[in-house]
Amino acid sequence: DVKVTQSSRYLVKRTGEKVFLECVQDMDHENMFWYRQDPGLGLRLIYFSYDVKMKEKGDIPEGYSVSREKKERFSLILESASTNQTSMYLCASSFLFEQYFGPGTRLTVT
Amino acid sequence: QKEVEQNSGPLSVPEGAIASLNCTYSDRVSQSFFWYRQYSGKSPELIMSIYSNGDKEDGRFTAQLNKASQYVSLLIRDSQPSDSATYLCAVMEAAGNKLTFGGGTRVLVKP
Repeated sequence: DVKVTQSSRYLVKRTGEKVFLECVQDMDHENMFWYRQDPGLGLRLIYFSYDVKMKEKGDIPEGYSVSREKKERFSLILESASTNQTSMYLCASSFLFEQYFGPGTRLTVT
Repeated sequence: QKEVEQNSGPLSVPEGAIASLNCTYSDRVSQSFFWYRQYSGKSPELIMSIYSNGDKEDGRFTAQLNKASQYVSLLIRDSQPSDSATYLCAVMEAAGNKLTFGGGTRVLVKP
């Protein structure tokens, strides 16, 4: 079974803080993804990575950056958190086409 | 902008009946299609993938794909209360690994 884990289920941060969300997969998958999910807006792709140290912008990269130093780990960074980044953040990994999601991190920025 | 459209529901289905969910997509060259189930407060779980025209069955689930008409559907046979969830349709772009998700259809199975 594919296992994707995320560092926190719930996180509360203050405006302006730097926030790190970590994602780890145990299936040696090449591709990893970060999404956010908001009511009425659905799932939206922030960034993805198809190899170590490689990254590509998704549909809504503004205000975010990513890091992939090891194949199994993909980090999402909010350089200066803002209230409009309050959301559910979902990490996924894939080998070919099928993406498998982690449990999600519900981030609240106050 | 590639689009994936689903009826938001809720689709109310009596227990034991067939739930029928539809999804249309705009990118004519898409080749890979997926259905995810998402329970409230949980992350999406992949339940079906389909790559060629026709039907694909897995247990009580059947995915149907018609590329000419640009739609993909999901049938849930013998619906159970545990099938109550939001079902997300996802379409992979022809070049690359990016998925575009529909907004989801909420299904309610009533005992």
